[in-house]
Amino acid sequence: KAGVTQTPRYLIKTRGQQVTLSCSPISGHRSVSWYQQTPGQGLQFLFEYFSETQRNKGNFPGRFSGRQFSNSRSEMNVSTLELGDSALYLCASSLGRTEADTQYFGPGTRLTVL
Amino acid sequence: QKEVEQDPGPLSVPEGAIVSLNCTYSNSAFQYFMWYRQYSRKGPELLMYTYSSGNKEDGRFTAQVDKSSKYISLFIRDSQPSDSATYLCAIEDTGRRALTFGSGTRLQVQP
Repeated sequence: KAGVTQTPRYLIKTRGQQVTLSCSPISGHRSVSWYQQTPGQGLQFLFEYFSETQRNKGNFPGRFSGRQFSNSRSEMNVSTLELGDSALYLCASSLGRTEADTQYFGPGTRLTVL
Repeated sequence: QKEVEQDPGPLSVPEGAIVSLNCTYSNSAFQYFMWYRQYSRKGPELLMYTYSSGNKEDGRFTAQVDKSSKYISLFIRDSQPSDSATYLCAIEDTGRRALTFGSGTRLQVQP
């Protein structure tokens, strides 16, 4: 079974621009979660989507948004990029039926903001 | 105070050593406990998952949860150079569907 895939793997943007990251979950998984990983703050939860609806949200500003499509693929958008948005953005998928369902991570998209 | 505390290391051990990695947490609502392994430039990979106090063993890995002390551990027996990675504890509370991670412990196993 193919794992979680994320595209692109690397991105370089400048301050003020916006960026869209993509995540394809494991086949059959309906929940997609996004996390930000930085050296200073570690791994932090951004939001979770299930059946095209945002079901849970972390403590990030409104510049961070996402959506999920009917095939469970998800996109994350960051508008008005700041230097501090430079991070590894990880997507995780799960069946999404219960909290006990395991989350499987993709390889991440490394975003650099100049 | 962070909800999940983990010693960042780095931790350096000789090949064959027993490694002990630990996390403490503050929220008694946390119900599900996981250990992930992350190699450089890769996403986290699930190693162990448990939801009750006690021990769970899988090959060379043993996960231990003590809910009364809010303390979780991962033991690695007969450590190998290929175990060199960052180990992250992750905890999920009931109803939130979001993982709270420790800061990660960087482990280096010397051949």
